[in-house]
This record gives sequence, structure tokens and C-alpha cells, in this order.
Amino acid sequence: EVQLVESGGALVQTGGSLRLSCAVSGFTLSDYYVDWVRQAPGMGLEWVGRSRNRANSYTTEYAASVMGRFTISRDDSESSLYLRMNSLQTDDAAVYYCARVITPLGYVDYWGQGTLVTVSS
Amino acid sequence: DIQMTQSPSSLSASVGDRVTITCRASQDINKNLDWFQQKPGKAPKSLIHSASTLLSGVPSRFSGSGSGTDFTLTISSLQPDDFATYYCRQHMNYPITFGQGTRLET
Repeated sequence: EVQLVESGGALVQTGGSLRLSCAVSGFTLSDYYVDWVRQAPGMGLEWVGRSRNRANSYTTEYAASVMGRFTISRDDSESSLYLRMNSLQTDDAAVYYCARVITPLGYVDYWGQGTLVTVSS
Repeated sequence: DIQMTQSPSSLSASVGDRVTITCRASQDINKNLDWFQQKPGKAPKSLIHSASTLLSGVPSRFSGSGSGTDFTLTISSLQPDDFATYYCRQHMNYPITFGQGTRLET
């Protein structure tokens, strides 16, 4: 059974840092792209970034709103993906989801349950 | 960036109704368009990819169509479990962008 489980969400002050984790099971992480998507309270979905698979050298893409502050990494041996978030701002407060991407068509098939990040000023 | 505009933003309907939600892209995205369903407090659920292909386990009352800039999600006969918010998403270009959502309510 494919599963993605996020963790690491917490209350952090503006300017602080946090690392979210996405632990996967039921598939080989190195074969897949994974997206991070967030949802601020009461708002819609916002794509945060993407980690490509080993065949594509684990390259990454980011939304402009997080470029230079957020970094996606992974440890395939641990079947885990990470989102390092620096210089957090109040509008980074959201539920963060990781989601598996099916290539080459580029669609998401499975989502994690999300982890909540709260940013306090 | 490619802008995705959904209409309507909210929709009132009843069980058994046929419902259509529209998603328009600001430029040609071919068929690189997916649909998701989200219920309050829950993660999104993937419904349709590549504009018209249902993911495994999705009821056949859901269908998608379109190509280029104009897309639709149709629910042929609304069921109680279908009341939720629906989002479209393009993955033609980076950044990947979502529509603002359509809230389907009774």
C-alpha cells in the first residue's frame, strides 16, 4: 500500500526555521518525483516545490514565493523526503502536504495527510 | 505563470443533480490538467489526470474533458459523498498552479 506521512510541523516564530519530513512506504522513492503543496488556513492549494527522481539527478523546482528560503532534499535509503524552511514568514503558515508524482504524465496520485506549520510574530 | 480560473467559485446542488465545474487556463496547456477533491480537514484526493482519465477507484459518475485552455469536470449524478471543494491544477509549465477551488454545497 502506497503511503506518504508528513511530520515536523510546529509553531515557530517569524524568521525561524523548520524541517518537515515525508516518510514514504509501498514504493521505491528513488523512482518517483515528489511535490510539496501547502494550504494556508481557509485558502486554496499552492504548489511549493518538486524533487525529481534519481534518473533525473534529484533536481528540484520551487515556487517563486519560497525560492532561496526553502530546500527540498531526500534520503532514499530512509525512504524520506525533506522540506527545509528558513526565514519563515507569517504567510508560510499552512498545512504542508507531500504528494507522489507519476511521470512522464506529471500527475499526482497519492497524497500524505499533511502537517501543520504555524508561524507567530 | 499560467493562471487557472475556476468557475463557479461555489455551487449549490442537490443529490441526483448533474454538476459541471469549469477550469480555464491563461495559455494552452494541452491536456496537462488534473482534478482533485478535498473535504474539510482532509488531504486532497486525486480524481482525474490528463484532463479526462479517471484514477483507479474513482466512481464513473466523475468525468473530465477539454484540451488547450478550457476544461470541465462533470459529476453526472451527485451523491452525498461528493459535497466538497474541487480544484484543477496545470502541470504544463513551472510553477505548477492550481485553480482557486469550487465549493460544492447543498
